[in-house]
Amino acid sequence: GDSVTQMEGPVTLSEEAFLTINCTYTATGYPSLFWYVQYPGEGLQLLLKATKADDKGSNKGFEATYRKETTSFHLEKGSVQVSDSAVYFCALSDRNDMRFGAGTRLTVKP
Amino acid sequence: ETGVTQSPTHLIKTRGQQVTLRCSSQSGHNTVSWYQQALGQGPQFIFQYYREEENGRGNFPPRFSGLQFPNYSSELNVNALELDDSALYLCASSLRVNTEAFFGQGTRLTVV
Repeated sequence: GDSVTQMEGPVTLSEEAFLTINCTYTATGYPSLFWYVQYPGEGLQLLLKATKADDKGSNKGFEATYRKETTSFHLEKGSVQVSDSAVYFCALSDRNDMRFGAGTRLTVKP
Repeated sequence: ETGVTQSPTHLIKTRGQQVTLRCSSQSGHNTVSWYQQALGQGPQFIFQYYREEENGRGNFPPRFSGLQFPNYSSELNVNALELDDSALYLCASSLRVNTEAFFGQGTRLTVV
C-alpha cells in the first residue's frame, strides 16, 4: 500500500542554519503530497502542498518540490528560527485517506 | 470562517467503557476524516465520511464507528475501550475528497 518514509529525528539546529528534512513515498497512483507541522499540544497545521510532479510548494520560507523520478518531497528552509521548533510530518493523499510519516522533531537553538 | 473544532479536549475513561468524540467541520467542508495519533507517531487514518456516508476505512476494528450529520459535523465512537486506545484523536475536514485536510486541536483520550 501507499506509504511515507521520512528522516528520523530529532534534528537540532542553530538559528539561521539551513534545514533539510527528507521524505520519500511509495504510491501506486498519482498522490498529492503535503507537509504538516505540529506545535506542542496542538493539532496539525498544513505547511505546504504539491499536487503533481515538479510542483513546488512554499510557505513561510519553507519549500518542497514533488520529484516523481526519485519519489521524494524533501522539506527545506534556508534560515531557521527558534519559532520553527516543532514536529514536521510528510503526508500523501491518493484516494480517500491520508498517509503520514512518523514525524521529525526539529529543535532550533538561539 | 471558523476552523475545525473538537470536543472534549481531554478525557479519561476506564477500560471497557465507551466514548464519543465530537467534531465540527470547517464551514463549507463536506468531508470529515478521523485519525489516531499515538505518542511519538504520525496520525493513522481511522475512517472518512463524505455527505453522511462512510467513504473509506483504515485498519481499525469495528468497535471504532462514526457518524456524520447533515450539517457535516461528525462523531467518533469507540466501544470496549482498551489501554492501547490511549492517544490523541484528530478530526480533519476537507472541501472535498482528496484535497488538503484542515485539522482540529484533537482530543486527548487516556484509558486507565
